[in-house]
Amino acid sequence: DSGVTQTPKHLITATGQRVTLRCSPRSGDLSVYWYQQSLDQGLQFLIQYYNGEERAKGNILERFSAQQFPDLHSELNLSSLELGDSALYFCASSVGRADNSPLHFGNGTRLTVT
Amino acid sequence: DAKTTQPPSMDCAEGRAANLPCNHSTISGNEYVYWYRQIHSQGPQYIIHGLKNNETNEMASLIITEDRKSSTLILPHATLRDTAVYYCIVRVRDNNNDMRFGAGTRLTVKP
Repeated sequence: DSGVTQTPKHLITATGQRVTLRCSPRSGDLSVYWYQQSLDQGLQFLIQYYNGEERAKGNILERFSAQQFPDLHSELNLSSLELGDSALYFCASSVGRADNSPLHFGNGTRLTVT
Repeated sequence: DAKTTQPPSMDCAEGRAANLPCNHSTISGNEYVYWYRQIHSQGPQYIIHGLKNNETNEMASLIITEDRKSSTLILPHATLRDTAVYYCIVRVRDNNNDMRFGAGTRLTVKP
């Protein structure tokens, strides 16, 4: 158990809809990261937050947004969903922002868009 | 960040050591080497990381060559539960902490 909690585990929704994925980091970790893993793309980094502030952006679509709250949990919002958004979405956390601390991943949310 | 090259797949006999190579010939002085694995569709699991010295923990050993252009992850006594995709990642310490994953090596441990 990595200590990172993601909810829900599974989500099925229709095209055009909007969903919110939630992540609680490990106790004491200030950074949260979101990744997307689809069959043909592998693990893609989306975005990083540190102590409530956005720190780095990867391949995140404009239809997607995220935030980190004062209690350090994070939410990833996906809107105007398309079939191609079906994927596993992982959250990870680490202690610092730009140190050598490793990332610890949750077990993901499996999103299916029909 | 430096790119890494890993073989797409490897087999290992149960109980034997699994040696997973990674080439990172363009690594620079402040880049760390990290290893993760992903079992089926679970979240990636952190294994070990190092800068230039060899490292060992309860899961594995990391051997980094003196010129730091390559490294080897060693699972000393592989079990069937070690079957997974193993990712080697190099990351600049002074940059943000995000990890960029490649295709990794699919290790199959056989009975």
